[in-house]
Formats: sequence, structure tokens, C-alpha cells
Amino acid sequence: SYVLTQPPSVSLAPGKTARITCGGNNIGSKSVHWYQQKPGQAPVVVIYYDSDRPSGIPERFSGSNSGNTATLTISRVEAGDEADYYCQVWDSSSDHRVFGTGTKVTVL
Amino acid sequence: QVQLVQSGAEVKKPGASVKVSCKASGYTFTDYYMHWVRQAPGQGLEWMGWINPNSGGRKYAQKFQDWVTMTSDTSISTAYMELSRLRSDDTAVYYCATEGNKMELQVWGQGTMVTVSS
Repeated sequence: SYVLTQPPSVSLAPGKTARITCGGNNIGSKSVHWYQQKPGQAPVVVIYYDSDRPSGIPERFSGSNSGNTATLTISRVEAGDEADYYCQVWDSSSDHRVFGTGTKVTVL
Repeated sequence: QVQLVQSGAEVKKPGASVKVSCKASGYTFTDYYMHWVRQAPGQGLEWMGWINPNSGGRKYAQKFQDWVTMTSDTSISTAYMELSRLRSDDTAVYYCATEGNKMELQVWGQGTMVTVSS
């Protein structure tokens, strides 16, 4: 089955740039979606189709995808960005949706 | 606006079944697949499968093939997820979510906590 690997945690000071990676075999050939989940809440999509942003999501959130790594970038990180972030793809070979292992972003 | 409202928390004994509902509003229910995702306490997101409310077609994650059943009732715009032969490690929050045009999980329900305990 297809596996997506994320770093368990990222810690940074306010105003810095967070880069959260999502590794998978030839992930660049797939569409990647990113979800933000705050404690006790349902996930919210922050980036879809590699780099598209839903309405209401700040421009500080951006995404890229190439080769074996997709990246979610959060510019000028704020305290309100503290959350768990998950990448997700559709694995066409199994017709399954697959989530990454998740990354906890902590704003110091 | 698009909204998914799920049924309330459940406590079940091992070996029992649980059926969680997800009522949709604000869009045409049959236009979009409905997915189910679960999250055990302190763990990540786990995709369980989807149902196409228009055709009744469904796809389950291999792990859940033999013990999950997803259904829908288009007359009341509601999807259901039933899990049988519950075990303690099925204790989790269960979410429904609609699929958007780019296959993202666009709108999520609030989640339903299912606790399996003797």
C-alpha cells in the first residue's frame, strides 16, 4: 500500500516560515491535499490539488509538489497556526485515499 | 452553507455493532461522494472508505472490508457507517466528509466519538 511520511513535529517562532514535508514514492505524479486539525476539532482543508487554496484560507498557506516530496509552506507563522497537519492523496492503484502520518506544528 | 451533522457519542461493548449517521444539508446530496475517516485517541487520520449516494456504489479500505458497511438514504440526505464486531481498538472519533471536485475532503462533520469498553 502507498505510504506517506511526514516529520512528527515542527517548532518555530512567530513570524518564521514553516515547511512541512510529505514524502511518498513519485508523489509528484499525484494530487496532494493538506488538512489542518486543531485540538478537539474536525480537520479543515487548507490546500488542495497541490497548491490551490480554498476561500477563507490565508495566502500565507501555500503548497508545492514534485518528485518524491510535497511541501506545505506556512509563511509568517502565527500562534493560531498551531495544529496538526496531514497530507493526503488518492492512490489510483488501490483506489484508496491515503493520509500522511501527520505533523504537529508548535509556535514557540 | 454546506453542513454535515453527525449523530451523538456512543458507548458499546466488545463484539457489538455501532451505526453512525451523517446528515447533509446545503447541497445536492447525490452530487458528491461521502467518505468516512476515523481517528483513535492521540493518533492520526485513517481513511475507511466512501459511498456514492447517487449510485450506491462504495469502496472500503482493505482493512475494513469485512466489518464495515456504508449506506445512504437519499430521501433524507443522510449517510451511515456501521462497524460490526467492535473491539477496544475501534475506540475513536469517526468523521464523515464530502469529496470536492479535486477529490479533496472538502467539508467534514463534527465527528462522533465511539467508545468500546466492557
